[in-house]
Amino acid sequence: DAGVTQSPTHLIKTRGQHVTLRCSPISGHKSVSWYQQVLGQGPQFIFQYYEKEERGRGNFPDRFSARQFPNYSSELNVNALLLGDSALYLCASRSPGLANQETQYFGPGTRLLVL
Amino acid sequence: AQSVTQLDSQVPVFEEAPVELRCNYSSSVSVYLFWYVQYPNQGLQLLLKYLSGSTLVKSINGFEAEFNKSQTSFHLRKPSVHISDTAEYFCAVSDRGTNAGKSTFGDGTTLTVKP
Repeated sequence: DAGVTQSPTHLIKTRGQHVTLRCSPISGHKSVSWYQQVLGQGPQFIFQYYEKEERGRGNFPDRFSARQFPNYSSELNVNALLLGDSALYLCASRSPGLANQETQYFGPGTRLLVL
Repeated sequence: AQSVTQLDSQVPVFEEAPVELRCNYSSSVSVYLFWYVQYPNQGLQLLLKYLSGSTLVKSINGFEAEFNKSQTSFHLRKPSVHISDTAEYFCAVSDRGTNAGKSTFGDGTTLTVKP
């Protein structure tokens, strides 16, 4: 079975631009979470989606938004990019209500560089 | 609010020596506890988790962690490390239930195993 997939793997943008990152969860997983990992730090929670509804938001500005589609894939959008948005963006999926529901399975991440 | 403190940012050890990576957490509610490993330019891999029951949990590759409720700690240990264990290790906590997809991570411990 395929794990969590994310696209693109790498991305270079300039300040002020907009970016869209994509995530496909493990088949059968209905919950997706997004994390930002700045170099040298642990991942920080951005959003959690379950059944296409936002179920949690971390301490990030409104420039960050996300959505979940009927097939449970998800997009993370960041507007008006700043240099400080350069990071590895991780997506994780899990299966609430099923076995191992507490476990998040992480994708390989999208590395975003803002110049 | 939850927080996770990994007490050592870097731990250098020689091959076949024992190692302990320390993790303390704070939370006002009952939590799940996790250790993840991250190899260079990769996402996070779950190493082991504590949900309930026995306070000592073990991974398939020789790591173990012990949950200590009174000290709010979840230290990771391995009796004999290998060169291949060189990686970044993250301790994380998450709420139980619907917020299980919102994890708080420590800043990581870099384990370097030297020959």
